[in-house]
Amino acid sequence: AQKITQTQPGMFVQEKEAVTLDCTYDTSDQSYGLFWYKQPSSGEMIFLIYQGSYDEQNATEGRYSLNFQKARKSANLVISASQLGDSAMYFCAMREGLGQGGSEKLVFGKGTKLTVNP
Amino acid sequence: NAGVTQTPKFQVLKTGQSMTLQCAQDMNHNSMYWYRQDPGMGLRLIYYSASEGTTDKGEVPNGYNVSRLNKREFSLRLESAAPSQTSVYFCASSARTGGSSPLHFGNGTRLTVT
Repeated sequence: AQKITQTQPGMFVQEKEAVTLDCTYDTSDQSYGLFWYKQPSSGEMIFLIYQGSYDEQNATEGRYSLNFQKARKSANLVISASQLGDSAMYFCAMREGLGQGGSEKLVFGKGTKLTVNP
Repeated sequence: NAGVTQTPKFQVLKTGQSMTLQCAQDMNHNSMYWYRQDPGMGLRLIYYSASEGTTDKGEVPNGYNVSRLNKREFSLRLESAAPSQTSVYFCASSARTGGSSPLHFGNGTRLTVT
């Protein structure tokens, strides 16, 4: 079974609108972390936001926020007020077993391509 | 402020040739990783090194070897390249064991095997 599922291969949004990119995950660990990365057409991987499984508040970083629903095992990325420069691939990733002895691995989903239209 | 540096940026190999991808980080990070990215597949972990002197297999280690030369450097070697290894390769590092430390990525190496 896939650890990270991103069901939207492509998404379109109008400039200045908000958009939600979906991510569901599969783990039996109680302690884990979820990450979102952006990959523009230039190819570099840019870290956006992190949510820990024990964090009570949803993470926010500027225009990025994470809609974390633990019971549903979802960690959707919300981008508010979309800009043309937000057009990129977006990857959700998970690290299981946080803390001492936990996994070093970050497992990635297959990504969602976001296009922001003017 | 270089971060994670990968060399080369591009490489074309013939089937059966060997090469080493180099990676170095200047952030004093403990953990280092090699991923490959193929269209529609996301990033898949090849090998990682949780600390200097240790290496472990990831999801897709076959056909690759790694060396954690010191804390800064982590190289990936293809002994006998195959067309299936055509991909974009990313090196990454993170500050500490597990936890909330994000991975910091290099700019990638685009490898074509003909």
